[in-house]
Amino acid sequence: EDQVTQSPEALRLQEGESSSLNCSYTVSGLRGLFWYRQDPGKGPEFLFTLYSAGEEKEKERLKATLTKKESFLHITAPKPEDSATYLCAVQAVYNFNKFYFGSGTKLNVKP
Amino acid sequence: ETGVTQTPRHLVMGMTNKKSLKCEQHLGHNAMYWYKQSAKKPLELMFVYSLEERVENNSVPSRFSPECPNSSHLFLHLHTLQPEDSALYLCASSHPGLTNTEAFFGQGTRLTVV
Repeated sequence: EDQVTQSPEALRLQEGESSSLNCSYTVSGLRGLFWYRQDPGKGPEFLFTLYSAGEEKEKERLKATLTKKESFLHITAPKPEDSATYLCAVQAVYNFNKFYFGSGTKLNVKP
Repeated sequence: ETGVTQTPRHLVMGMTNKKSLKCEQHLGHNAMYWYKQSAKKPLELMFVYSLEERVENNSVPSRFSPECPNSSHLFLHLHTLQPEDSALYLCASSHPGLTNTEAFFGQGTRLTVV
């Protein structure tokens, strides 16, 4: 069964304290893995798509990496405005119309 | 104009009311989705429309009725809801046939059933 597991469920960091969020996935043929940021009461905001193992994408303090079983979202020197829930989703090659989402990691960055 | 627009942003309705949620996308996508987001749960896929045809219906109760009149508009008609239906309802769109297949979301409708 296709599924996505994110860890940790919640993460508290001090401003400037770098860390990583994990997304483990099981899918019968990965077409794409997606990272989103979601602020309270708002819709998810698209961050990155990764298509193949070894691929990396960067945006400001965020860097996403992909292996055959998991993806990491590395946050370097985070700021309080990076506080949000980060969601991971996968899409399978056999069904382009479906996205499987994890439960998310709630990140809190303290000044 | 933002990519995916949902209205209303907030809705309070009684269990005997009938209301509709609206979603409009300006991205030229040909697939649209309704998701339900409850506290501490993954996003739950409710319906998928591709080229205006419903292609996914994940055992959603009949009190939720989707409608997709064209590739830019999606509705979710609500009637006789239960308090456990209170949640954030998210609309999304994508273009599965393109190289970039990511979905883009609207801001959601926060629904409270009283």
